[in-house]
Amino acid sequence: GAVVSQHPSWVICKSGTSVKIECRSLDFQATTMFWYRQFPKQSLMLMATSNEGSKATYEQGVEKDKFLINHASLTLSTLTVTSAHPEDSSFYICSAMSGANTGELFFGEGSRLTVL
Amino acid sequence: AQRVTQPEKLLSVFKGAPVELKCNYSYSGSPELFWYVQYSRQRLQLLLRHISRESIKGFTADLNKGETSFHLKKPFAQEEDSAMYYCALGRGGGNKLTFGTGTQLKVEL
Repeated sequence: GAVVSQHPSWVICKSGTSVKIECRSLDFQATTMFWYRQFPKQSLMLMATSNEGSKATYEQGVEKDKFLINHASLTLSTLTVTSAHPEDSSFYICSAMSGANTGELFFGEGSRLTVL
Repeated sequence: AQRVTQPEKLLSVFKGAPVELKCNYSYSGSPELFWYVQYSRQRLQLLLRHISRESIKGFTADLNKGETSFHLKKPFAQEEDSAMYYCALGRGGGNKLTFGTGTQLKVEL
């Protein structure tokens, strides 16, 4: 099946710094990717929809200036957590839809961010 | 607003026993429902979706619009079924997912 890879899988940063997380579709092109956030023992919360070549669409309550999303190519979307604070510590997961499998989303392995 | 409810955080059954993971949803539009599964140390993956009406790994789920439910069932649990199961509601063409809180299924020998 289609593979989605995230990098880094784990990152620790100091408060006030920015962190970039990459989401790549390895063997297919993804015009649309999705970013989720998961707190410990809670469900995945959709943060935004990343569209190749256009601006991301953010869910209600998600700060677009805080969570910058760039989808410059059909195989790569990046999420940048700007001026990170401890409350941004979380598990960030991306998913992508393969055009050949409409309706099925393929998930990355997730990236754990810890802000000190 | 859309909402997905999975009332059980943990469900423990014996091998060979029937399994039912409950899922209820709230959505004003026409729902698209999915079950995703996450095995230990693996990523989330699609198990089945209601529009396919198929059985995957012995699991089935029927959309009941009257009861707004999409319960996941399997007649005989296997040890390899132990995993975290998420029910999800799709909108925006089915790809914007709202997830339930998940149910951890533990199949005991």
